[in-house]
This record gives sequence, structure tokens and C-alpha cells, in this order.
Amino acid sequence: GNSVTQMEGPVTLSEEAFLTINCTYTATGYPSLFWYVQYPGEGLQLLLKATKADDKGSNKGFEATYRKETTSFHLEKGSVQVSDSAVYFCALSDLRGSQGNLIFGKGTKLSVKP
Amino acid sequence: DAGVTQSPTHLIKTRGQHVTLRCSPISGHKSVSWYQQVLGQGPQFIFQYYEKEERGRGNFPDRFSARQFPNYSSELNVNALLLGDSALYLCASSSLLAAGPPYNEQFFGPGTRLTVL
Repeated sequence: GNSVTQMEGPVTLSEEAFLTINCTYTATGYPSLFWYVQYPGEGLQLLLKATKADDKGSNKGFEATYRKETTSFHLEKGSVQVSDSAVYFCALSDLRGSQGNLIFGKGTKLSVKP
Repeated sequence: DAGVTQSPTHLIKTRGQHVTLRCSPISGHKSVSWYQQVLGQGPQFIFQYYEKEERGRGNFPDRFSARQFPNYSSELNVNALLLGDSALYLCASSSLLAAGPPYNEQFFGPGTRLTVL
């Protein structure tokens, strides 16, 4: 079945460091791919998305490119800030049937130190 | 505009009890989905409702049920609670049925934290 695998955390970085969080997926068809962020005590917020191969999603300095050949959607940011500390979830849209709901990875906790 | 709201925020129950969780979608959204997020894991899809009809169900036992009301709010019911039902229950609303292309975003509420003792 469809699934998402993302790198395990926690990830601890210093402010202004480069961030990469790896995400790979298994899916039939051509799902859309997403990164969601969850700040402490809050629900999920969509960070960025890509709906077809080679699309690059970007938001707030974060980027991810939909790579069909490697079935990957790695999240990157050139210079992280303390305010980026959160849990990041990679997800894909499950297009089986007509529901199109989301399948999430286990999440990667990011801590950024000043 | 108000986002997705959920009530209650926290809930403590004992094994065998029943629980009802509530969700109000963003105004104008007709689709509501429920997810279970166990501590340290990603959310898992439980149900989707659209226009008051069940449109999708995840791999959860029949103890879990839900419904959607004419005003598009929704309830998630869990019977015969088990310790393993302890989790954050998230509700998400969207304006269209599918989350795939043409993509429409799912907006998540803050969740209800259920603890089963």
C-alpha cells in the first residue's frame, strides 16, 4: 500500500545552519506530496506542496522538489531560525477511491539552538 | 475568520467508556476528515465525510464511528475505550472532496487530547 518514510529525529541544529529532512514515498499513481509542520500544542499547518513530478514547493524559505525517479520529497532550508523548531511531517494524498486523504510519515522533530 | 475548532481540548476517560469528540469546519467547507495521532507518530486517517455522507474510512475497528450534521459540523464517537485509544484526535476540513489534484488544502484544528486510564 501507499506509505511515507521520513528520517528519524530528533534533529538539532544551530541557528543559520542548513536543514535537510529526507522523505521517500511508495505510491501507486501520481499522488500529491506535502510537508506539514506542527508547533508545540498546535494542530498541523501546511508548509508546502507539490502536485506533479519536478514541481518545487516553497514557503517561508523551505523548499522541496517532487522527484518521481527517486520517489523522494526532501525538505530543505538554507538557514534555520529558532522559530523553526517544530515537528515536520511528510505526507502524500491517497488517491485510492475518491477520498484523497493524507498518509503521513512519523514526523521529524527539529530543534534549533541560538 | 475562525479556523477549524474542536472540543473538548482535553479529555480523560477510563477503559470501557464511550467518548464523543466534536469538530466545526471552516465556514463554507463541506468536507471533514478525522485523524488519530498517537504520541510520536504521524496522524492516521480514520474517516472522511462530505455532504453528510461517509466518503472514506481508514483501518480502524467498528468501535469508531462518526457523523456529519446539516451544518457540516461533525462528531467522532469511540465506544469501549482501550488504553491504546489514547491519542490526539485531529479534525481537518476542506472545501472539496479530494485532497489530490486539483488540490484543495486540508485545514487542521488544534485537536482533542484523549487520555484513557
